[in-house]
Amino acid sequence: DAGVTQSPTHLIKTRGQQVTLRCSPKSGHDTVSWYQQALGQGPQFIFQYYEEEERQRGNFPDRFSGHQFPNYSSELNVNALLLGDSALYLCASSGGGLTNTGELFFGEGSRLTVL
Amino acid sequence: KQEVTQIPAALSVPEGENLVLNCSFTDSAIYNLQWFRQDPGKGLTSLLLIQSSQREQTSGRLNASLDKSSGRSTLYIAASQPGDSATYLCAPVMNTGFQKLVFGTGTRLLVSP
Repeated sequence: DAGVTQSPTHLIKTRGQQVTLRCSPKSGHDTVSWYQQALGQGPQFIFQYYEEEERQRGNFPDRFSGHQFPNYSSELNVNALLLGDSALYLCASSGGGLTNTGELFFGEGSRLTVL
Repeated sequence: KQEVTQIPAALSVPEGENLVLNCSFTDSAIYNLQWFRQDPGKGLTSLLLIQSSQREQTSGRLNASLDKSSGRSTLYIAASQPGDSATYLCAPVMNTGFQKLVFGTGTRLLVSP
């Protein structure tokens, strides 16, 4: 049973560019959440997707946007990159109807460096 | 706004010691609470999930307790091993109908052989 998978694992961008990160949830999960983790800090909630809709959003600007596909996979897009966007971006999945325990499972993350 | 504090911020112990990691949160209206482990530069591994109706949860050498009314959770690690070296994060889930985790900055644990 594959867990949460994220791609790419590492990437380097320059200021002003745009980036897309991808996530496939754990088998049987239908809810995907994205978190940003700066160095030395705990993860911060960006937003959550369920049934292809954004249903909750953290304190992040509109430069951060996302999408969920019918197969429950998700993308995180960040436009007009700033140096401060350098971080580990984590995807978490949960859900699954009657088997939902409320537990979230995380992927290994995508390390973004903005130069 | 939920705020999470973990004490101590860092801990260094010799192998074999029993450990207690503390987590406190300001808003007791939580749905459940998860403990995670994070190795440097890696993702989060779920260790234990405690539902708000539970007081305790155990997995192997790990035991987590939850006192929702006082806003506290503790993670007890028995007979620590060098492989336990990692950052440990607790995260309450707010009772809002959405599974949103709120994290502190964690406890960085180093277990020496």
